[in-house]
Amino acid sequence: QVQLQESGPGLVKPSETLSLMCSVSGGAIDSASYYWSWIRHHPGKGLEWIGHIHYSGSTSYNSSLKSRVSISVDTSENHFSLKLTSVTVADTAVYYCARELNSLFDYWGRGTPVSVSS
Amino acid sequence: QSALTQEASVSGTVGQKVTLSCTGNNYNIGSYDVGWYQQISQGAPKTMMSGDSLPSGIPDRFSASKSGTTASLTISGLQPEDEAEYFCSTWDYSLSGHVFGGGTKLTVL
Repeated sequence: QVQLQESGPGLVKPSETLSLMCSVSGGAIDSASYYWSWIRHHPGKGLEWIGHIHYSGSTSYNSSLKSRVSISVDTSENHFSLKLTSVTVADTAVYYCARELNSLFDYWGRGTPVSVSS
Repeated sequence: QSALTQEASVSGTVGQKVTLSCTGNNYNIGSYDVGWYQQISQGAPKTMMSGDSLPSGIPDRFSASKSGTTASLTISGLQPEDEAEYFCSTWDYSLSGHVFGGGTKLTVL
């Protein structure tokens, strides 16, 4: 059974960089079939896709966040990471990682809440 | 505003059949399979349908279909544990990214 687990600080100051990691267990991250996504859920709003990465390093990002987002993958450690720069209170959300197969999400992490506050 | 349009709320009684809809355009739903995700009390989303495929462990009272640019999730025989928020999602090739619906809050009366 594939499991994903997000980790990282729950509190980030405005203008700083948010860094999260998603550890994958029960399956290899370097499978050609999958992409690995970051998604967030703002309080009281819907889900927002942040971006994804293939084990080869190929990435796509949400155009609204593209200038501030970077996703990387570490196949030796079987995890992938998110960096979001210059955060504001608008980046306060629960952040999820998920696995994609054929452009559909099949496995999700439990999510990690991130608050942006001074 | 979400790229995909879902009803804000739907309700039904135990045992009833309910259908949730998700409307997009030819760049997204009209071109790609749609996923349906259940979220209970802001917990982790759970994949309920991948296109028209039922993931392992999901009750077969859940089914999905698509016609043109509208996708539907049907629950036949509504159960109390089905009360949750449901999101639809798919790929959008004009945006080169995934898009989500705003979510439908399903209440079991």
